[in-house]
Amino acid sequence: GAVVSQHPSWVICKSGTSVKIECRSLDFQATTMFWYRQFPKQSLMLMATSNEGSKATYEQGVEKDKFLINHASLTLSTLTVTSAHPEDSSFYICSARETGGGSYYEQYFGPGTRLTVT
Amino acid sequence: QQQVKQSPQSLIVQKGGISIINCAYENTAFDYFPWYQQFPGKGPALLIAIRPDVSEKKEGRFTISFNKSAKQFSLHIMDSQPGDSATYFCAASTKSGGFKTIFGAGTRLFVKA
Repeated sequence: GAVVSQHPSWVICKSGTSVKIECRSLDFQATTMFWYRQFPKQSLMLMATSNEGSKATYEQGVEKDKFLINHASLTLSTLTVTSAHPEDSSFYICSARETGGGSYYEQYFGPGTRLTVT
Repeated sequence: QQQVKQSPQSLIVQKGGISIINCAYENTAFDYFPWYQQFPGKGPALLIAIRPDVSEKKEGRFTISFNKSAKQFSLHIMDSQPGDSATYFCAASTKSGGFKTIFGAGTRLFVKA
């Protein structure tokens, strides 16, 4: 149980285009999902907290208009990288907290999406 | 104050040995301390976690030691195996912070066969 999927697992796009990444909780409902960014050989940096039915809360320094987050249902959150540039190339990882169940604090991580902008 | 400091950056251990990774934090509001294992190209996976009302937690070969007064916690991997070679992250979160998880910098562990 407690599986989180991401789609796509990897994507290559041209500079200036937009890319959407999906994060789904497959067997549980998630009121809260988190989006992280990870550069090679570095740690995970929290980008934003996504709450179902409300606006995402972005961490300091993260451009809201560039990284659009939508959490329209209890099992799906999406991250759209708008007008992508090569510096946006990174590994994007989502995680989800189970609503009202199990460990109160535990987050379940997705497998990540590798974005390469050419 | 939101940082979690992790050391060492990298670690080489002989098969069968003990791997020890240390972390320290400043924010006393943190009340959940998980450790994650990450293989290249994969998302992190929860290994073991501890709450501050407990000084030690053991699950199989993995043990967390927690020192609340020193604001430090560590991961011990007993009988380390080549399959344990991965990057390990300590982390901390707090309910009052909306359960946001702050990660340490990571430790790249290599277990020599």
